[in-house]
Amino acid sequence: GESVGLHLPTLSVQEGDNSIINCAYSNSASDYFIWYKQESGKGPQFIIDIRSNMDKRQGQRVTVLLNKTVKHLSLQIAATQPGDSAVYFCAEGHTGGFKTIFGAGTRLFVKA
Amino acid sequence: DTAVSQTPKYLVTQMGNDKSIKCEQNLGHDTMYWYKQDSKKFLKIMFSYNNKELIINETVPNRFSPKSPDKAHLNLHINSLELGDSAVYFCASSQDRGLAGEETQYFGPGTRLLVL
Repeated sequence: GESVGLHLPTLSVQEGDNSIINCAYSNSASDYFIWYKQESGKGPQFIIDIRSNMDKRQGQRVTVLLNKTVKHLSLQIAATQPGDSAVYFCAEGHTGGFKTIFGAGTRLFVKA
Repeated sequence: DTAVSQTPKYLVTQMGNDKSIKCEQNLGHDTMYWYKQDSKKFLKIMFSYNNKELIINETVPNRFSPKSPDKAHLNLHINSLELGDSAVYFCASSQDRGLAGEETQYFGPGTRLLVL
C-alpha cells in the first residue's frame, strides 16, 4: 500500500548547525514530493518541493534531495535557527492524482 | 488578507451534538480539502473537492458530511459527535490537480475540536 514515513520522529540540533530530516516513501508512482513545516498552533506551510525528474533542489537555506532508487527524501536546513523549530512533514503525490499523502512528521528542536 | 480561513478556531462540545466547521479560501483555487490531525500529529486526508465536486472521500464515517456551496468554500458538518472525533481539523486548498501539476496546498490555521 501507499506509505510515507520518517526515520527520525524527533531531532534536536544546536543553533547554527545544519539539520537533516529524512523521509522514506513506498509508492513508485509518486512523482511529486513536498516538505511542509508546521509551527505550534498553526497549519502546515509549504517549504519546498521537488519533482521526480530532479534529484536536488535548493531554496533559501533549505535543500531537498531525492533518491528514487531507494525511495528516500531528505530536507537539509542550513544554519538552523530557533525559528526553524517545528514539525516537518514530507508528502508525496503524483501528476493527475488528487491526493497527497503525508508522512508522520519529525519534530525539530533547535537549542540556543 | 488570510488566504485560507477557518471558523471556529476552538470548538468544545458534548458527545452526541452536531457541529459545523467553516472554511473559506480567497486564493481562487479550484481544489479544497479537509484533513484530520490526531494527537500524534498524523495528518490524514478526509475529503477533497474540485470545483465544488467531491473527488476524494476517504474512509470517513458518514457522520461527517462536507458541503461546498461554491468554489471558495468547503464546510464540514459532523453529526453525533464522538470522543474519538477530538482532533485538529485543517482545511486546505490548491490551485489545480492533474495536468497543471500544481499541487502545493495552502492550509488554514486549524479548528481544535474537543468532544467531552
